[in-house]
Amino acid sequence: KQEVTQIPAALSVPEGENLVLNCSFTDSAIYNLQWFRQDPGKGLTSLLLIQSSQREQTSGRLNASLDKSSGRSTLYIAASQPGDSATYLCAVLNQAGTALIFGKGTTLSVSS
Amino acid sequence: SQTIHQWPATLVQPVGSPLSLECTVEGTSNPNLYWYRQAAGRGLQLLFYSVGIGQISSEVPQNLSASRPQDRQFILSSKKLLLSDSGFYLCAWSRDLVAAEAFFGQGTRLTVV
Repeated sequence: KQEVTQIPAALSVPEGENLVLNCSFTDSAIYNLQWFRQDPGKGLTSLLLIQSSQREQTSGRLNASLDKSSGRSTLYIAASQPGDSATYLCAVLNQAGTALIFGKGTTLSVSS
Repeated sequence: SQTIHQWPATLVQPVGSPLSLECTVEGTSNPNLYWYRQAAGRGLQLLFYSVGIGQISSEVPQNLSASRPQDRQFILSSKKLLLSDSGFYLCAWSRDLVAAEAFFGQGTRLTVV
């Protein structure tokens, strides 16, 4: 059974810092991995999608990497801003291709 | 561009009352549709998914049901709500099951009292 773990559960940093959020999964047989952002009381906003054949994806200040063999992904946020404060979720598509399996998220707080 | 709408945003219902949450997608045809629930302190859990009109698959046994009466409409229902049905319900869509990016609605906060 696929399990997704995100470390740390919470992170506080001053504005301007570069940071890394970690995601690990137990079954390397995934179709893709997706990173989301969730603001309090809101839905999920898709940040980056990495297909199983890809190693990384970039969007603006965000860079996500995928190492399928070791069951790990990282989300790198450059030059963090207070507006980056949110919960970041990673999810992998299950073997049947029918559902995303989510981690519990990392709650990021960036202070000005 | 594609958009997904979910309503209502918040709902407070007494135990034993019925439930109907609606989700619609615009700007695409034949989307795959999903209902997830996010309970406090727990990750998102898939409840139902649908690959077409009238085709519903359930991932977990529960007090809820889903229907897809039209191509871009997905409804989550219950005949009698339980306290344990409280949570944040999210609708999502994707173009296909395997490789496509998933997009989520803004969610419905359901409190059963």
